[in-house]
Amino acid sequence: NAGVTQTPKFRILKIGQSMTLQCAQDMNHNYMYWYRQDPGMGLKLIYYSVGAGITDKGEVPNGYNVSRSTTEDFPLRLELAAPSQTSVYFCASKSPGPRDYGYTFGSGTRLTVV
Amino acid sequence: AQRVTQPEKLLSVFKGAPVELKCNYSYSGSPELFWYVQYSRQRLQLLLRHISRESIKGFTADLNKGETSFHLKKPFAQEEDSAMYYCAYCGGSNYKLTFGKGTLLTVNP
Repeated sequence: NAGVTQTPKFRILKIGQSMTLQCAQDMNHNYMYWYRQDPGMGLKLIYYSVGAGITDKGEVPNGYNVSRSTTEDFPLRLELAAPSQTSVYFCASKSPGPRDYGYTFGSGTRLTVV
Repeated sequence: AQRVTQPEKLLSVFKGAPVELKCNYSYSGSPELFWYVQYSRQRLQLLLRHISRESIKGFTADLNKGETSFHLKKPFAQEEDSAMYYCAYCGGSNYKLTFGKGTLLTVNP
């Protein structure tokens, strides 16, 4: 049981390049989330999904896209990378049910756009 | 706007001293609050949830609805407690978490 797995761990992109951050969970969780973490700013929600085929915007969705074709996978796509997207990206998942069980987080992807 | 506020970006204490990390919220209704911890360059881990009223690694957090606070406390800090701590609120039908900006705790020897 690996939990939430994110790849890659590190990546350097040039301005204008595109990439996909991968996120997979093996806990059969319906709910999945993408956050970005910036120093002094906490974590901001980019996109989330409540199940396969259903996605919705979070607080900071501009410049990103997501898809959820399976329960297990929730990739985050950057189409035209910009320096403002330099950040650490965390994927998380949660099973439906009591709110108090919290999230399971991935180990993060550290992205630098130069 | 609904908000979680952690007023201290940085907090430094000596080993063995008491520590309190502050968290205030501005939601109406019944809040569902958590503390998450992130050790250096690791993933976030759930530390405490208000509903369970438990103590983890010596930390406790009490929900004070009158003061709209959920401060994290530990009577005797240890060096291994050095980490980033986030207070978070879970609301809405999709379990979205809203995080505070975090407090970096440093426990000095």
